[in-house]
Amino acid sequence: DSGVTQTPKHLITATGQRVTLRCSPRSGDLSVYWYQQSLDQGLQFLIQYYNGEERAKGNILERFSAQQFPDLHSELNLSSLELGDSALYFCASSVVPPGELFFGEGSRLTVL
Amino acid sequence: GQNIDQPTEMTATEGAIVQINCTYQTSGFNGLFWYQQHAGEAPTFLSYNVLDGLEEKGRFSSFLSRSKGYSYLLLKELQMKDSASYLCALRASEAAGNKLTFGGGTRVLVKP
Repeated sequence: DSGVTQTPKHLITATGQRVTLRCSPRSGDLSVYWYQQSLDQGLQFLIQYYNGEERAKGNILERFSAQQFPDLHSELNLSSLELGDSALYFCASSVVPPGELFFGEGSRLTVL
Repeated sequence: GQNIDQPTEMTATEGAIVQINCTYQTSGFNGLFWYQQHAGEAPTFLSYNVLDGLEEKGRFSSFLSRSKGYSYLLLKELQMKDSASYLCALRASEAAGNKLTFGGGTRVLVKP
């Protein structure tokens, strides 16, 4: 158990819909990272937050947005969903200065 | 930017040794990580190199040469449970949020 909690674990929805994925980092970790992993693909960095502020942005689509709240949990919002958005979405957290990232178990999104 | 290359697949026999190479180009080196990921599961941390040389941790060792942009992960005394993907990742500078950029991963299949 990495200490990073993600909900929901599985989500099935239809094209055009909107979903929210939630992440609670390890206790004391201020940085939260979101990654997308499509089937048989590598981990693609989406976005990073540190103590509520956006720190780095990767190849995140405009249809996607995220935020980190004062209690340090983070949410990733995916809207106007397309079939290609089906993937595992991982949240990770780290201490500052960061050593390794600790990953949650992921949220598996299926868009039908 | 960052570019990471590693082989797609490798096959080895139980009890043997396998070496997974990773070459990279980066505008700012700030550490190299190796993660293990079983199918459908979260990546788990294996090793971290920031200085040149060999880091040994049980059956796993990782080597780094910054001048050559090269790292390898050595897995000794292979076990069936070592069948997984192994991900090489570069850490960006602090100014870039310390994010980890992952390579595509090397799928290792251990055969009896």
